Amino acid sequence: AQTVTQSQPEMSVQEAETVTLSCTYDTSESNYYLFWYKQPPSRQMILVIRQEAYKQQNATENRFSVNFQKAAKSFSLKISDSQLGDTAMYFCAFMSYSDDMRFGAGTRLTVKP
Amino acid sequence: NAGVTQTPKFQVLKTGQSMTLQCAQDMNHEYMSWYRQDPGMGLRLIHYSVGAGITDQGEVPNGYNVSRSTTEDFPLRLLSAAPSQTSVYFCASSYSTASVGPDTQYFGPGTRLTVL
Repeated sequence: AQTVTQSQPEMSVQEAETVTLSCTYDTSESNYYLFWYKQPPSRQMILVIRQEAYKQQNATENRFSVNFQKAAKSFSLKISDSQLGDTAMYFCAFMSYSDDMRFGAGTRLTVKP
Repeated sequence: NAGVTQTPKFQVLKTGQSMTLQCAQDMNHEYMSWYRQDPGMGLRLIHYSVGAGITDQGEVPNGYNVSRSTTEDFPLRLLSAAPSQTSVYFCASSYSTASVGPDTQYFGPGTRLTVL
């Protein structure tokens, strides 16, 4: 089974600064999807960004972008111009044709004013 | 569209009691799944379904049953609740199919379950 590792249990960043959350995964497959989900205190799981492994271009959604390094099996999330509303748990997830969605343990991000 | 809905939002059970967590989606998604979220462990898959009448086990299926009689509904049954089942439960759905392949999962608001 695929595994997803988030090595930073907690992080903090000053408002308006940039922060990068790390994620690595282990798989023998070549075609798969990667996701970042945000879970604010409301508990709702919200999709932040997704990346298809066959696409070389890194995905971007407004202030959120990823650095996808397929050979290194790395999928980090960069949040630019951090806002107080970005305070949340962030989960990295992996999904493939042969396996269901696997989640990392999460990174708790606090944006400080 | 309401998306994915779950009821109840909160529930307290005594050890040995049974109950059903309800999940419904109005996006005509074939794929539906149940996860539990425990501190420090992310979300773990309990059961999933790739379409009406088809269900399968995930990573942590023991103590739970599911059925999928319609595309819209995917209830999760706790047969005999145990304190180890205290957790937050999420239902999700997606457009994933065998031919389409993986796709984004959309989550319900979650159910916080406490078993005493």
